[in-house]
Amino acid sequence: QVRLVQSGAEVKRPGASVKVSCQAFGYTLTNYHVNWVRQVPGQGPEWMGIINPADGNTNKSPKFQGRVIITRDTSTSTVYMEMSSLRSEDTAMYFCARVATGVKGFVYWGQGTLVTVSS
Amino acid sequence: DIVLTQSPDTLSLSPGERATLSCRASQTINNNYLAWYQQKPGQAPGLLIYGASSRATGIPDRFSGGGSGTDFTLSISRLEPEDSAVYYCQQFGTSPYTFGQGTKLEIK
Repeated sequence: QVRLVQSGAEVKRPGASVKVSCQAFGYTLTNYHVNWVRQVPGQGPEWMGIINPADGNTNKSPKFQGRVIITRDTSTSTVYMEMSSLRSEDTAMYFCARVATGVKGFVYWGQGTLVTVSS
Repeated sequence: DIVLTQSPDTLSLSPGERATLSCRASQTINNNYLAWYQQKPGQAPGLLIYGASSRATGIPDRFSGGGSGTDFTLSISRLEPEDSAVYYCQQFGTSPYTFGQGTKLEIK
């Protein structure tokens, strides 16, 4: 069955960078785009961006342009989201997610990675 | 960006009643690509409805979606205690694929 397995929780200082991974199981990574969504505690989800693992092309929300890099490693079926210049407002749960064939909605989600930014 | 505004912020109903949640978009959502999710504490959101009115796999027919253009609704009939959750809408019509701020449904 399809699973998206994310890396563990991170604690970072303001100004640092963080790299979160999302490893795909149960399907061929290059067959589906992978999205990144974050959720600040007590707030709604926020779509960050998407990668096409087949060619590495990405599309990011303007809010995260210049501060977020999304990459993939097809040899390990893993997608990465790296965020730089972290600030306290970036403290959130970060999820990877993908659609299913013919479904415009996120059917499959990673378990989430809590990133805490604190001095 | 398309702004999705959900109402009400909180809805408190009794078991067996019907809930109607609203999601209004700041501009027309292309192809009515509007999805609804249910989120319980400590979990990722779970897909309920996509394409405004299609139920996701395994979702009971108590859940139904409707609307088009800029106005969409999620209806939940015969409420059960397990329906207590926060519900979000999301649009896939135009990047960035924005979410609403959520409606908290409480079952009394």
